[in-house]
Amino acid sequence: QLQLAESGGGVVQPGRSLRLSCAASGFTFSSHPMHWVRQAPGKGLDWVAVASSDGSKADYADSVKGRFAISRDNSKSTLYLQMNGLRADDTAVYYCAREGYVPGITWGFFEYWGQGSLVTVSS
Amino acid sequence: QSALTQPASVSGSPGQSITISCTGTSSDVGGYNYVSWYQQLPGKAPKLMIYGVSYRPSGVSNRFSGSKSGNTASLTISGLQAEDEADYYCNSYTSSYTYVFGTGTKVTVL
Repeated sequence: QLQLAESGGGVVQPGRSLRLSCAASGFTFSSHPMHWVRQAPGKGLDWVAVASSDGSKADYADSVKGRFAISRDNSKSTLYLQMNGLRADDTAVYYCAREGYVPGITWGFFEYWGQGSLVTVSS
Repeated sequence: QSALTQPASVSGSPGQSITISCTGTSSDVGGYNYVSWYQQLPGKAPKLMIYGVSYRPSGVSNRFSGSKSGNTASLTISGLQAEDEADYYCNSYTSSYTYVFGTGTKVTVL
């Protein structure tokens, strides 16, 4: 069945870097845009970034633009989030999510989610 | 991009109907029919409940429905049940090619 499994989270000092991975299975990974969404402890959902299905295009929330980079390897069915210059307010559970689309009808919704990976930025 | 505005909490008795609003601008909710809603139970990943303003994924109860008027989208839960107690978030595509979530609403079943 469809699975999204995040990994790579942990405790990191402010200013340092971390790379998250999201391994996908059970569907044709290369057919779907993929997103990262985060949630700080006790807070709401916060959209982070999206990668197009072929990886040629990416868009970011203003809060991470210039610091984070989303990428994907369709041959490995894996999504990545390279996080540089981490700050305390980047502390959150990071979810990867598959974008859904209904041809000719609609797109742009988060159809399936992973279980999340916790990133804690602290000295 | 500012978060979409949702009421912090909404409550209702079993069997009642409740509506959660999600207010944005003409650059997001009002400009596109790409509004979706998510249910999040404590400690769990969010679950898609409504997409494309009013479409319901297979497996989601028909007690959940969505609509939009101008810059405000709404999620209605009819026949409220104890299992509906959760946090709910709206989301919209924006004119900046990004996405924005709502502030979240805690639904309590009295």
